[in-house]
Amino acid sequence: DAKTTQPNSMESNEEEPVHLPCNHSTISGTDYIHWYRQLPSQGPEYVIHGLTSNVNNRMASLAIAEDRKSSTLILHRATLRDAAVYYCTPWEAQGGSEKLVFGKGTKLTVNP
Amino acid sequence: DSGVTQTPKHLITATGQRVTLRCSPRSGDLSVYWYQQSLDQGLQFLIQYYNGEERAKGNILERFSAQQFPDLHSELNLSSLELGDSALYFCASSPRTSGRGELFFGEGSRLTVL
Repeated sequence: DAKTTQPNSMESNEEEPVHLPCNHSTISGTDYIHWYRQLPSQGPEYVIHGLTSNVNNRMASLAIAEDRKSSTLILHRATLRDAAVYYCTPWEAQGGSEKLVFGKGTKLTVNP
Repeated sequence: DSGVTQTPKHLITATGQRVTLRCSPRSGDLSVYWYQQSLDQGLQFLIQYYNGEERAKGNILERFSAQQFPDLHSELNLSSLELGDSALYFCASSPRTSGRGELFFGEGSRLTVL
């Protein structure tokens, strides 16, 4: 399984941008990078995913390094509802087998 | 609401017992994934089914088994339960494989083994 490294925790102030880093140096060249978040007592929620190019959606932006060994999730204006554990997770596909492998994630605290 | 339904939401049982967790994927989704989340292990991938066939297997114990039925709902069977099996069990579904799409997770089934 590809290994990801994320900070255990980060803090941000409301309405400020947040950059959540992730190292995934062992990711395969064809594996997509996914980001999910999990609020307390809820299932993980999809945020964004990408392969090589930077990606934007209504929730966030994903900046992927040119060598694909790292990526950064960008929340442009953090709100209190963004407080969650954020997981950077490679989608591993090998011989018909496919899965998301979750690490420990980063717990994001948003201060009012 | 992700559209993925898991039942029961909470389950309390004793060691040695057997339970079945049920998952109804989003309408039309062919892939179903099961994950276990405990405090010390985080989110662990258990097994994936695609259109009734097992596609990927993770750290699933031999005491656990799963299947996906023709109507695409899935069941996770946990037997000879131990205290350490207490955890949140999540089901997720996806309309496709290949990583180009997102997984939709249910709200989970919380299993407590006493």
